[in-house]
Amino acid sequence: NAGVMQNPRHLVRRRGQEARLRCSPMKGHSHVYWYRQLPEEGLKFMVYLQKENIIDESGMPKERFSAEFPKEGPSILRIQQVVRGDSAAYFCASSPARGQNTEAFFGQGTRLTVV
Amino acid sequence: RKEVEQDPGPFNVPEGATVAFNCTYSNSASQSFFWYRQDCRKEPKLLMSVYSSGNEDGRFTAQLNRASQYISLLIRDSKLSDSATYLCVVNGLTGGGNKLTFGTGTQLKVEL
Repeated sequence: NAGVMQNPRHLVRRRGQEARLRCSPMKGHSHVYWYRQLPEEGLKFMVYLQKENIIDESGMPKERFSAEFPKEGPSILRIQQVVRGDSAAYFCASSPARGQNTEAFFGQGTRLTVV
Repeated sequence: RKEVEQDPGPFNVPEGATVAFNCTYSNSASQSFFWYRQDCRKEPKLLMSVYSSGNEDGRFTAQLNRASQYISLLIRDSKLSDSATYLCVVNGLTGGGNKLTFGTGTQLKVEL
């Protein structure tokens, strides 16, 4: 049973380009979470999705960032017109269901560098 | 006030020492609690869940005090391999799912 798969592992973009980060949850998991970790800082919640639904996007910047989790295929975090401040590690996590003690499993992250 | 607060450290301790990490959370409605471990430039991994009755896993003991909104992690007989950042995580159910809120982490360095 493969774990949470994120790709690419490393992504370099020039300022103004678009970045697309992909996350395939663990088999049987229907909940996906995206977190951002800036250098030397903690993980910051961005968005929580179930299949075809955004449940909580309270941590998403108002502009340039969007996320989706379609019925088929991976979850996508999309950053338009990237700026240097978007450089960070973006981690995806998945869990099987709603529940009080449900553990979330993390992917290895995508490290975005904006040059 | 931050939702989850931890002392950032670093805690530099000799091998074999006992070290304790503390964490406080602000949302009294929080449902469940965890300690995660994150090695440098790696993804966070679950270390242990935290229950009100306290729980122990080998050299690791976790405690929860709901009245004080306080969580602790105790590591006994620390090993070099315990060097990592320890993340206090609080789960508040939201809109039909889980929303894990992470503290900024406490860095531990175990030295010879």
